[in-house]
Amino acid sequence: GQNIDQPTEMTATEGAIVQINCTYQTSGFNGLFWYQQHAGEAPTFLSYNVLDGLEEKGRFSSFLSRSKGYSYLLLKELQMKDSASYLCAVSDAGNKLTFGGGTRVLVKP
Amino acid sequence: GAVVSQHPSWVICKSGTSVKIECRSLDFQATTMFWYRQFPKQSLMLMATSNEGSKATYEQGVEKDKFLINHASLTLSTLTVTSAHPEDSSFYICSASWGLAGTNEQFFGPGTRLTVL
Repeated sequence: GQNIDQPTEMTATEGAIVQINCTYQTSGFNGLFWYQQHAGEAPTFLSYNVLDGLEEKGRFSSFLSRSKGYSYLLLKELQMKDSASYLCAVSDAGNKLTFGGGTRVLVKP
Repeated sequence: GAVVSQHPSWVICKSGTSVKIECRSLDFQATTMFWYRQFPKQSLMLMATSNEGSKATYEQGVEKDKFLINHASLTLSTLTVTSAHPEDSSFYICSASWGLAGTNEQFFGPGTRLTVL
């Protein structure tokens, strides 16, 4: 099975940087996804890591360390519209996704 | 590309009735579709995995006789909530994958909000 942990809530100021950590213990690993979800909407894809290292995509970056079972999502130059839940999800060999509980990020002016 | 639709987007029904939710991949053939349920302020919980032409695989604790899944074609899967009760009220989200080697991204539908009175 999979066990995925991430903080429940984080608050940050507009223009700042926030790092959301995700730790996982898995029985099979085929990559780690980060999704953004606004209230009442479906998740939207942010990033995918399957190899160790940092993937940068605009204001969002994601890091993976498979040996440590650890990932983080880095959000830079925060904007008010970034207030949302951020979901860490691990894919197993059968392409099933197991989601963490999600981290609600509140961006304040 | 990779658009997934769901219908209806929301539904209100009486306790004891059945509700069918459709999930369609609009511009690709989905070999695998997944059904999730999300309660307020909680994360997505996988209910079942559906492969075209075969029976769905249900996660532990999900009643297969209550949540009927049909995946008759490569672009359509349906979830029927039978004899719905208020505790079934939730946000149901489907996703689709084309399952090519090295491509395991799931594309999510917009979700269906079910309210059972």
